[in-house]
Amino acid sequence: GDSVTQMEGPVTLSEEAFLTINCTYTATGYPSLFWYVQYPGEGLQLLLKATKADDKGSNKGFEATYRKETTSFHLEKGSVQVSDSAVYFCAPLYYNQGGKLIFGQGTELSVKP
Amino acid sequence: NAGVTQTPKFQVLKTGQSMTLQCAQDMNHEYMSWYRQDPGMGLRLIHYSVGAGITDQGEVPNGYNVSRSTTEDFPLRLLSAAPSQTSVYFCASSSQGVGYTFGSGTRLTVV
Repeated sequence: GDSVTQMEGPVTLSEEAFLTINCTYTATGYPSLFWYVQYPGEGLQLLLKATKADDKGSNKGFEATYRKETTSFHLEKGSVQVSDSAVYFCAPLYYNQGGKLIFGQGTELSVKP
Repeated sequence: NAGVTQTPKFQVLKTGQSMTLQCAQDMNHEYMSWYRQDPGMGLRLIHYSVGAGITDQGEVPNGYNVSRSTTEDFPLRLLSAAPSQTSVYFCASSSQGVGYTFGSGTRLTVV
């Protein structure tokens, strides 16, 4: 079945460090790709999206590029802040399968001052 | 707009009891889904729907039923609660190209 693999956490960084969280997905059909973020004790918020190959999604300094040839959607940020501490989920959405959105296991990010 | 509304926010059930988790959205979204979130396991898809009268099973459907009689509502029924169903449940809705909007969750404990 469809699956998504994320870089394992927890990831601990110092403030202003560069962040990469790797994500690869199965390429059944042509999914739209999303990153969601979950802050401690809260629900899920949409962080960014990309709907076709080579699209770059961006929000709050985070970016991710839809790489169809490598079935990847890696999340990056040039300079993380303490407030970025959260769990990040990569999620492909398969509209051709009834709108099925599946999640990676999540990557916990902790940013230290 | 209220977005996606889940009720109740917290619930404690005894083993064997049944209950319905309610989910409603006011955005006229055609897609709706239910997930459970357990520590260290991310979110797992229980059931999903592409519109009224159409539902499908996700990764972990056993022990749960759904129906979608209207565009707005997508209730999740636990038929006979088990301790393994202790979890946080999220409902979400989407329209084509928009991405899913999530409710605030229901924390369920089965004792």
